[in-house]
Amino acid sequence: EAGVAQSPRYKIIEKRQSVAFWCNPISGHATLYWYQQILGQGPKLLIQFQNNGVVDDSQLPKDRFSAERLKGVDSTLKIQPAKLEDSAVYLCASNPWTDLGYTFGSGTRLTVV
Amino acid sequence: GQQVMQIPQYQHVQEGEDFTTYCNSSTTLSNIQWYKQRPGGHPVFLIQLVKSGEVKKQKRLTFQFGEAKKNSSLHITATQTTDVGTYFCAGRKSGYSTLTFGKGTMLLVSP
Repeated sequence: EAGVAQSPRYKIIEKRQSVAFWCNPISGHATLYWYQQILGQGPKLLIQFQNNGVVDDSQLPKDRFSAERLKGVDSTLKIQPAKLEDSAVYLCASNPWTDLGYTFGSGTRLTVV
Repeated sequence: GQQVMQIPQYQHVQEGEDFTTYCNSSTTLSNIQWYKQRPGGHPVFLIQLVKSGEVKKQKRLTFQFGEAKKNSSLHITATQTTDVGTYFCAGRKSGYSTLTFGKGTMLLVSP
């Protein structure tokens, strides 16, 4: 089966600019996650979708981050405006339902300068 | 909030030596998952443990879930250079769907 697709792979922006990441999960996977992984740390959940509804966004910095999952399939994560501390790898993951292991995409490496 | 701690942060072994990483949660978990992330790669799911005291094996890897469902371990027997990477545990608190990752243990294996 095809994996979780993410784009772009790399992005360099200046602080205060905006950026968007895209994720296409494995077909049929109801649950989609966005994680932020700062260098040397474990992934930190930003938002979890079940179909097109939000299950958990308690750690999403809502003043600058937003995410949507149109029609319960692919998803976009946006940062506006970006800060230096947003430099990280943004990982998208999906699974058929919440109690199973996650399949991660290759991630988008964001550098804010 | 829920915290998942892993030790050690880093371990360097000679090929053929054994390796163990430990994971401890501040709260009781409904299940725990283990992932491996190769350098420059993304986390790859290894296994999920659900039952108290559960032990699962995958070739040279042995995973254990503690009796109190608050700790877990991953043991690799006779490491190989292909085992290089960071091993993460991720716990799900009872009654919640969110998975919380530890900071990981980076394993380096010298030939």
